[in-house]
Amino acid sequence: KNEVEQSPQNLTAQEGEFITINCSYSVGISALHWLQQHPGGGIVSLFMLSSGKKKHGRLIATINIQEKHSSLHITASHPRDSAVYICAVRSGTDKLIFGTGTRLQVFP
Amino acid sequence: NAGVTQTPKFQVLKTGQSMTLQCAQDMNHEYMSWYRQDPGMGLRLIHYSVGAGITDQGEVPNGYNVSRSTTEDFPLRLLSAAPSQTSVYFCASSSRKGAGEQFFGPGTRLTVL
Repeated sequence: KNEVEQSPQNLTAQEGEFITINCSYSVGISALHWLQQHPGGGIVSLFMLSSGKKKHGRLIATINIQEKHSSLHITASHPRDSAVYICAVRSGTDKLIFGTGTRLQVFP
Repeated sequence: NAGVTQTPKFQVLKTGQSMTLQCAQDMNHEYMSWYRQDPGMGLRLIHYSVGAGITDQGEVPNGYNVSRSTTEDFPLRLLSAAPSQTSVYFCASSSRKGAGEQFFGPGTRLTVL
């Protein structure tokens, strides 16, 4: 079993829909990252959080340390949000462990 | 700032050939790392460095060498390429070991025939 599990693996949505991507992990962590990888391949960091909630524009990330779970929400989705979203956790040994990603397609 | 740069973007090698993937960052980051990305798998750590002159192995180091002679540069060497090394390679940097925001290069798509 992977130490970081994401769901769903694939997600399609209509423009304007509210989207949730989930990340569960089984190891102790000091921080969790949400990353975005566009079809061109580049990876950018969206959020780094260790507790609570962070918001940036239409993106919201939450984490529940007790339940070992994080969610990434996208409000008012747009076709340009189409990408692979990757969850990564920083373990107690300072190593980053990555999920396999959630592929999101938003149609107009 | 250019951020993290990688060259080349694409490369095709024959089995047994050697090559170096280049990575450079201009953010004065201490921590640099190399990952490979394969279909259906998360990014996996190959080697990392916590500062100039210091390198260490990650999860999948076999067949790769690294060096860190300067803060800016962290090249990855494939000693004798094998088809199993066909992958997309990403270099990343952060200001602290794994702790800070990660900055990724654009990736190198390598095919070994």
